[in-house]
Amino acid sequence: GAGVSQSPRYKVAKRGQDVALRCDPISGHVSLFWYQQALGQGPEFLTYFQNEAQLDKSGLPSDRFFAERPEGSVSTLKIQRTQQEDSAVYLCASSLAGNLNEKLFFGSGTQLSVL
Amino acid sequence: DQQVKQNSPSLSVQEGRISILNCDYTNSMFDYFLWYKKYPAEGPTFLISISSIKDKNEDGRFTVFLNKSAKHLSLHIVPSQPGDSAVYFCAASARNQGGSEKLVFGKGTKLTVNP
Repeated sequence: GAGVSQSPRYKVAKRGQDVALRCDPISGHVSLFWYQQALGQGPEFLTYFQNEAQLDKSGLPSDRFFAERPEGSVSTLKIQRTQQEDSAVYLCASSLAGNLNEKLFFGSGTQLSVL
Repeated sequence: DQQVKQNSPSLSVQEGRISILNCDYTNSMFDYFLWYKKYPAEGPTFLISISSIKDKNEDGRFTVFLNKSAKHLSLHIVPSQPGDSAVYFCAASARNQGGSEKLVFGKGTKLTVNP
């Protein structure tokens, strides 16, 4: 497809379970971002990749959160031992380069519900 | 402490009239500002942006105004159309300060344009 693709679209997890969220950016896009959007809030930055290099992970809320992009294309956000406060929509976005003069393209997100 | 604030959670206007969405920021290091539009169950899509060296940017029906001294920006939509009904997010970044490319988002304003 032409856009940013995220899977699964919805994920229900039991508290304590590990989850993995996948992002397929637009082909050729160098920069990839993960954002977390809680209900009624704006997206909050989690982490940023330029190709396979994770240049900023300052937004990851705890060491239970881990992101990777090993080949500089597909990225996975992993959350270990999920907690109820992890319930949110996780948005992935990509851009052609790290230049924000270019548009940042967002996927539709993965809605995570932790019970 | 919110660095980007959208104090109006919702706004309702009549079709054909002007919609004005407001945004305030606290971080004087921000030098690039964007507006994103979000429909339900979709990711945000880029609408318009403005650099801090400008005070106005126009694209068709959409105009963004920046008042740096007041740390305030606004999005004007004229004439408003029912298809403009969505949540609008204001976002900012500090691109020239050596930081990462991350965006800081407000909580959003839900715009409803009534036919």
